[in-house]
Amino acid sequence: AQRVTQPEKLLSVFKGAPVELKCNYSYSGSPELFWYVQYSRQRLQLLLRHISRESIKGFTADLNKGETSFHLKKPFAQEEDSAMYYCALLNQAGTALIFGKGTTLSVSS
Amino acid sequence: NAGVTQTPKFQVLKTGQSMTLQCAQDMNHEYMSWYRQDPGMGLRLIHYSVGAGITDQGEVPNGYNVSRSTTEDFPLRLLSAAPSQTSVYFCASRPTGTGIYGYTFGSGTRLTVV
Repeated sequence: AQRVTQPEKLLSVFKGAPVELKCNYSYSGSPELFWYVQYSRQRLQLLLRHISRESIKGFTADLNKGETSFHLKKPFAQEEDSAMYYCALLNQAGTALIFGKGTTLSVSS
Repeated sequence: NAGVTQTPKFQVLKTGQSMTLQCAQDMNHEYMSWYRQDPGMGLRLIHYSVGAGITDQGEVPNGYNVSRSTTEDFPLRLLSAAPSQTSVYFCASRPTGTGIYGYTFGSGTRLTVV
């Protein structure tokens, strides 16, 4: 079965604290994974793709096939990082994304 | 290059009414999808298309129809609106080939059925 699990509905941190948003997946073969961010009532924006191994807005995510995880990390949270974050997996056929239920990140000063 | 454009942005329907949510993209993307976003449920796939004339059902297709007569447009039809269809609807598209580019999303349609 293809599935994405984000175990935390809400993650609250203080400004400057490290952040880790968890994502686990279930997939046969080599997955294509993404992190999307949605600021208040706006469209989803692509934040990271695992294949490009990039760092965007200070966020990174590493694919761990042994643990079937793709956690999103940032060493020092900023208030402007407050948003909903979705982990997504391209389905086996490559025809659509499978989303986790999302984690709301709240960064306060 | 406008990306993915959805209209309307907001809509209120009465139970039993029908309507069409519009989605258009100008990036020549073959793959398009419709999702609904509900609190605590994430985004769930309604229907998707891999090219003009080719559509298929997703996870929650009941009560919705789609067609894809052109590469650019992928409208979503609500046949007889029900309060359970109150949601935010997102359209997304991506080019063919591997999925490394991810999907580009529209700004959404917020639908309320009363």
